[in-house]
Amino acid sequence: GAGVSQSPRYKVAKRGQDVALRCDPISGHVSLFWYQQALGQGPEFLTYFQNEAQLDKSGLPSDRFFAERPEGSVSTLKIQRTQQEDSAVYLCASSLVVSGTDTQYFGPGTRLTVL
Amino acid sequence: RKEVEQDPGPFNVPEGATVAFNCTYSNSASQSFFWYRQDCRKEPKLLMSVYSSGNEDGRFTAQLNRASQYISLLIRDSKLSDSATYLCVVNAGSGGSNYKLTFGKGTLLTVNP
Repeated sequence: GAGVSQSPRYKVAKRGQDVALRCDPISGHVSLFWYQQALGQGPEFLTYFQNEAQLDKSGLPSDRFFAERPEGSVSTLKIQRTQQEDSAVYLCASSLVVSGTDTQYFGPGTRLTVL
Repeated sequence: RKEVEQDPGPFNVPEGATVAFNCTYSNSASQSFFWYRQDCRKEPKLLMSVYSSGNEDGRFTAQLNRASQYISLLIRDSKLSDSATYLCVVNAGSGGSNYKLTFGKGTLLTVNP
């Protein structure tokens, strides 16, 4: 079946531009997560949705980062006024239920480069 | 201290070798433990969950020592296709934030012919 998909796969932005990254989770998955993975590092948690509710945004690095999931399915991560330190791979993951033991399935990521 | 620390690597081993990865975590409330595998420029994929009793899946064996807050992964008879980065992952603990996963930096394994 279809896995988690993300678009675009690659994005190059000039410093100061706004970007929007899209995530299509596995159909029926309640939980959706965004992670940021810098080069040579493991993924770092950004934010968590249970259906349309954003229950945890503790990992968002600044108020330039904003995420939404208005209908409880597709999610968008928006970064305003991009900075060079925002360059990273942004990974989306979904899981069927809300549980610490439930497998999180990752999308291929969006590689963002800010020039 | 970082929340999840792994062997820095990289590991270069010949085919057929046995290789062990070690990981320590700082949050004693963590309840769930995993090893993920990440191929170059790909997404992380769950390799196996780790249970207190230890568990095995073919050539892969995972162990957990809660008292020492230590997790290990052993790969026997390594194959070329095992070449990847191995990520140690723990959850935030019990309660409302147990969905939150913390990843180690990863250890790169290259299996050579």
